[in-house]
Amino acid sequence: QKEVEQNSGPLSVPEGAIASLNCTYSDRVSQSFFWYRQYSGKSPELIMSIYSNGDKEDGRFTAQLNKASQYVSLLIRDSQPSDSATYLCAVNWGTGRRALTFGSGTRLQVQP
Amino acid sequence: KAGVTQTPRYLIKTRGQQVTLSCSPISGHRSVSWYQQTPGQGLQFLFEYFSETQRNKGNFPGRFSGRQFSNSRSEMNVSTLELGDSALYLCASSLAFAAYEQYFGPGTRLTVT
Repeated sequence: QKEVEQNSGPLSVPEGAIASLNCTYSDRVSQSFFWYRQYSGKSPELIMSIYSNGDKEDGRFTAQLNKASQYVSLLIRDSQPSDSATYLCAVNWGTGRRALTFGSGTRLQVQP
Repeated sequence: KAGVTQTPRYLIKTRGQQVTLSCSPISGHRSVSWYQQTPGQGLQFLFEYFSETQRNKGNFPGRFSGRQFSNSRSEMNVSTLELGDSALYLCASSLAFAAYEQYFGPGTRLTVT
């Protein structure tokens, strides 16, 4: 059973639209959550972190966390072709399980 | 501030050889984690070092090892290379152990033939 699950996509959205990326995780005691963006052939780049329930906004990005339902999502407003990449969700399980666990990623394609 | 650096960027080895990869964290960061990324398995955690001590280890065979130096630089070693070890090896640094935000280096692309 995968601990962090993401739809592999591709998720295709038109330029200017809102892209919604979702991630579910298996352990209720998870403490911190991250979204990374990875362009083809490049390393992951941290774009958002979220630690408590609710929304966190940073520019065109909004991370949403719902611990009761065990999901975290990333919204990208006014999507641009340059947003086309794979988005990785990562979960830190907290004390005793320090390592980040990554989902397999969702490939986003923004059509001009 | 300079980011995480990894050397070498590309490496070609043959089966049975060993390899050492190097990682220099962001200045002031004391924790270094290593990951293996393959198309089939995604990003998998190898180990984490903080203050020259391994703090956590993933589910990889003993052929994979690492260490951290007093200046926080880290190396990982893979002995007796197998074809399946071909992957992108990523190093990530964070401020401290249990500091959650990790920043990745560019990676080392290892090809085993």
